[in-house]
Formats: sequence, C-alpha cells, structure tokens
Amino acid sequence: EVQLVESGGALVQPGGSLRLSCAASGFTFSSHWMHWVRQAPQRGLVWVSRIDRDGSTPSHADSVKGRFTISRDNANNILYLQMNSLRAEDTAVYYCVSGSRDRDFEFWGQGALVTVSS
Amino acid sequence: QSALTQPPSVSGSPGQSVTISCTRASVPVGAYKYVSWYQQHPEKVPRLIIYDVTHRPSGVPDRFSGSQSGATATLTISGLLPEDEADYYCSSYGGKFTWVFGGGTKLTVL
Repeated sequence: EVQLVESGGALVQPGGSLRLSCAASGFTFSSHWMHWVRQAPQRGLVWVSRIDRDGSTPSHADSVKGRFTISRDNANNILYLQMNSLRAEDTAVYYCVSGSRDRDFEFWGQGALVTVSS
Repeated sequence: QSALTQPPSVSGSPGQSVTISCTRASVPVGAYKYVSWYQQHPEKVPRLIIYDVTHRPSGVPDRFSGSQSGATATLTISGLLPEDEADYYCSSYGGKFTWVFGGGTKLTVL
C-alpha cells in the first residue's frame, strides 16, 4: 500500500523559512516523479513543485519560483520542500503527491498545514 | 502556466446526470493528452477519478466518465448519488514540467 506522510508543518512568521518532509513507502520511490500540491483554506488545489526521479530537473510554479526548492533523498525515500521568504499567501495545506504514470496525481498524503502569520 | 476554467457550481437530483466542463485558455486541451479529474469531499484528501482524459483508475465507478472536445474537457457523472456531492477539480500538464488545476466545481446533489 502506498503511503505518503508529510511532516514539518508549523506556524511561521512572514519572511521566515520552513522545510516540509514527506516519507514515502509501499512503492519504489526512486522510480517516480514526486509533486507538492497546496490548498489554501477554503480555496482550490494549486500545483507547487515537481521533481524527477534522480532530482536533476526540479520545476516550480511561478508563484514560488526562487523561494521554494523541491528535493529528494532516494536512499531514505524522503521528499522535501524547502520554503523561504514565506508570505501570508503561502498559508495552505501542503500535499505530497505521486503516481504510477508521473503525469497525474494518483496518491496523496494527508497534508501538512503551513500557516504564515505574525 | 495557462489557466483551466471550471464552472463554480453545478447541481442535479439523484439519478440524474451532470457534466462539469474544464476549458483551457489559449492552448487546446487536445494539445495536451494528460487531463485528469479529482473528487474532494469536505475535509478530505483529493481522489483521482479520471486520468488521461478518459481513463478511470481501478475502484472508480463507471458512473464517472471523461471526454474532450477541442479546448474543453468534460467530466460526466451519471446516476447521481448523494455521496457524489463534493468538489471536483480538473488538472492538466501545462508544458515545461508544470501542471495546472482548474478552480474547482462544487457539485450539489439536490
């Protein structure tokens, strides 16, 4: 059974930093692209970042480019999202997502809540 | 990253069929084969219900179907059940290793 477990969500002040982690199990982690998708309170889903199998070509949404960095540790089956220069509009539940086809979002974690507020 | 436009809300009575559209601005959805649909109940994690425009993952009832014509992809739910009441999102590969979601559609089962 595929399991994705996010951790690291917290309350952080504007301008601060935070790193989210996602522990993956139940599938061959190193064989799949991984994504982060976020959802602000009472709002829709927004794709944030994606990383390929070996971590060589990450990609990010324009809204987070230059502030967020996605990375992975294939030896320990962990996905990361380093978030810097956080803004109030980054407040959201952040989901770790993967899939067997890489091009859609088949498996979702339970999400980690990030709140950016002073 | 192009936007995907969905109607904010749709409704239907039990047993009826409803459709939810997903229109891609500037670039025809047909140019990208990787449209998917997600169902999200309140306070729950999204669930993939359609991938590659028309395909259903195992376990998804065949009451859910997807189609595409030009710049618009469509999710059809037939034989509406009360438990179908949820938010529905379309998503598409946006090129250059980016993805985009529609704004979401709230389905109310009357």
